[in-house]
Amino acid sequence: ETGVTQSPTHLIKTRGQQVTLRCSSQSGHNTVSWYQQALGQGPQFIFQYYREEENGRGNFPPRFSGLQFPNYSSELNVNALELDDSALYLCASSPFPGQGAGESDTQYFGPGTRLTVL
Amino acid sequence: QQQVKQSPQSLIVQKGGISIINCAYENTAFDYFPWYQQFPGKGPALLIAIRPDVSEKKEGRFTISFNKSAKQFSLHIMDSQPGDSATYFCAASDAYTGFQKLVFGTGTRLLVSP
Repeated sequence: ETGVTQSPTHLIKTRGQQVTLRCSSQSGHNTVSWYQQALGQGPQFIFQYYREEENGRGNFPPRFSGLQFPNYSSELNVNALELDDSALYLCASSPFPGQGAGESDTQYFGPGTRLTVL
Repeated sequence: QQQVKQSPQSLIVQKGGISIINCAYENTAFDYFPWYQQFPGKGPALLIAIRPDVSEKKEGRFTISFNKSAKQFSLHIMDSQPGDSATYFCAASDAYTGFQKLVFGTGTRLLVSP
């Protein structure tokens, strides 16, 4: 069974640029969530995708957007990068509620992408 | 309303001792409470999780204690080992939002001394 993978591992951008981060979900999982983890903090929910549509969003501005593809992989796009966007970006996959016996709420995290904005 | 408060911020325990991390929440709609372990440079990994219909759940050396009336839950690590040294996060989610949003605590950095 393949776990959640993310690419790239590290990324350095300058303020104002745009960035795309990628995630491959765990086999059998059709729901992908993205989180932002600032240094020394807990992860903060950005949004979740299910069946190629955003089905939930946290308190992040519209310049944070995403996509989910038919194979359930996902992208996180951030436009007009700001210094405060520097963080570890985590992708998590899970079976959609109701499809897993006792496992439906479990989110499995990837290793993350470390984004540095200069 | 959505916050999960976690304490302590850091913890030093001797090998073989018991590590205890506490969390408190306000949102009574929360119905799923996982604990995650994170090593430097890695993503969080699920350790153990509990639902409000039970007061305790044990898996190996890890135990969650849950107090629904006090809106508190805690992680106990028995016989703590140096390999347990990591950052631990409590989290919570509720089913009523229609999607799975984990709300995390601020983390506890655990150091188990040899």
